[in-house]
Amino acid sequence: GAGVSQSPSNKVTEKGKDVELRCDPISGHTALYWYRQSLGQGLEFLIYFQGNSAPDKSGLPSDRFSAERTGGSVSTLTIQRTQQEDSAVYLCASSPAGQGSDTQYFGPGTRLTVL
Amino acid sequence: AQSVSQHNHHVILSEAASLELGCNYSYGGTVNLFWYVQYPGQHLQLLLKYFSGDPLVKGIKGFEAEFIKSKFSFNLRKPSVQWSDTAEYFCAVNRGSTLGRLYFGRGTQLTVWP
Repeated sequence: GAGVSQSPSNKVTEKGKDVELRCDPISGHTALYWYRQSLGQGLEFLIYFQGNSAPDKSGLPSDRFSAERTGGSVSTLTIQRTQQEDSAVYLCASSPAGQGSDTQYFGPGTRLTVL
Repeated sequence: AQSVSQHNHHVILSEAASLELGCNYSYGGTVNLFWYVQYPGQHLQLLLKYFSGDPLVKGIKGFEAEFIKSKFSFNLRKPSVQWSDTAEYFCAVNRGSTLGRLYFGRGTQLTVWP
């Protein structure tokens, strides 16, 4: 079956511009996660959606970052006024029920480069 | 704060050598533990996980890991590596009371020479 998909695969933008990154989770998965992987760093949690519950936004690094999930499916991560330190690979994952023991299935990521 | 430590950033082995990658975490409560692998050009995928029961868990491709609660460790092992095991390996921890969120280590790049 189809896995998690993300678009675009690569995004180059200029400092100060806004960007939107999209994630399509596996059909039927109620939980969706965004992580960021910077050069030489592990994966850093950003935000987590579980069903109709309020999202866990505790990992967002600043108020320039926001995310939404429409209809319990597709999610968009928006970064406003991008900075060079935002350059990273942004990974999306989904899991069946959002429980701690669930396997998270990762997408291919979006590589963001801020010039 | 939750932290996950992977002791080796880059490991280089010859084929048929044995592998052990260390992972330690700092949370004292109930945990779920994972090893993910990223092969060159591919997505992150699950290698194995522990959430209850036998602390020795077996995963895909002959990998296994042992959860030692007293040492806050979840080391990954394979008795005989292959060239195709060349990849980056990530240890991840979920706090049992925090739904979903994973805390990742920085990863270990494994290079296996044929």
